[in-house]
Amino acid sequence: EVQLVESGGGLVQPGASLKLSCVASGFTFSDYWMSWVRQTPGKTMEWIGNIKYDGSYTDYAPSLKNRFTISRDNAKSTLYLQMSNVRSEDTATYYCTRKGITTDWYFDFWGPGTMVTVSS
Amino acid sequence: DIVLTQSPALAVSLGQRATISCRASQSVSTSSYNLMHWYQQKPGQQPKLLIYDASNLASSIPARFSGSGSGTDFTLTINPVQADDIATYYCQQSRELPLTFGSGTKLEIK
Repeated sequence: EVQLVESGGGLVQPGASLKLSCVASGFTFSDYWMSWVRQTPGKTMEWIGNIKYDGSYTDYAPSLKNRFTISRDNAKSTLYLQMSNVRSEDTATYYCTRKGITTDWYFDFWGPGTMVTVSS
Repeated sequence: DIVLTQSPALAVSLGQRATISCRASQSVSTSSYNLMHWYQQKPGQQPKLLIYDASNLASSIPARFSGSGSGTDFTLTINPVQADDIATYYCQQSRELPLTFGSGTKLEIK
């Protein structure tokens, strides 16, 4: 059974940094592109970025590119999201997702999410 | 960015057909694929993939869900609607980066 479990969320002050993790199981993690998607309290869904199966390539939403970094450790089957200089508008639930098996970009599995609240 | 527009809510009676639409600000189709995907999100849960490439049913999804469309206009159909289908439905395009989502359509029971 495919499982994705995020962690690392919580209350963080504006301007701080935070690193989210996602542990994957039930599939060969190193075979799959992975992504982060967030959902605001108002339920708006926003794609953050993707990372290639071997970690050699990443894409980001232009509005987040300068502050967010996606990485992975295939030996640990773990995906990461490094967030820096966080702002109130970064308050959201952050989902770890797996790219579908075809060439198209859709997300066939989602973790339960980890909530990040940015507030002083 | 490609903007996806969905109606906020739809009320349907149990056992009837629900038709949820998603309109893209520009074509999300190529010569080979219609790059629109649909997700279901129940309250307090993560989204679940229902349909990929406009009309392909994801694994373990019941056949009462179907998708259609091309170019800029796409539809998710649920027929017949069951009580368990109460959720918000999101479309997502992958024609170009950044990947974008619609604002969601909340399915309600009349």
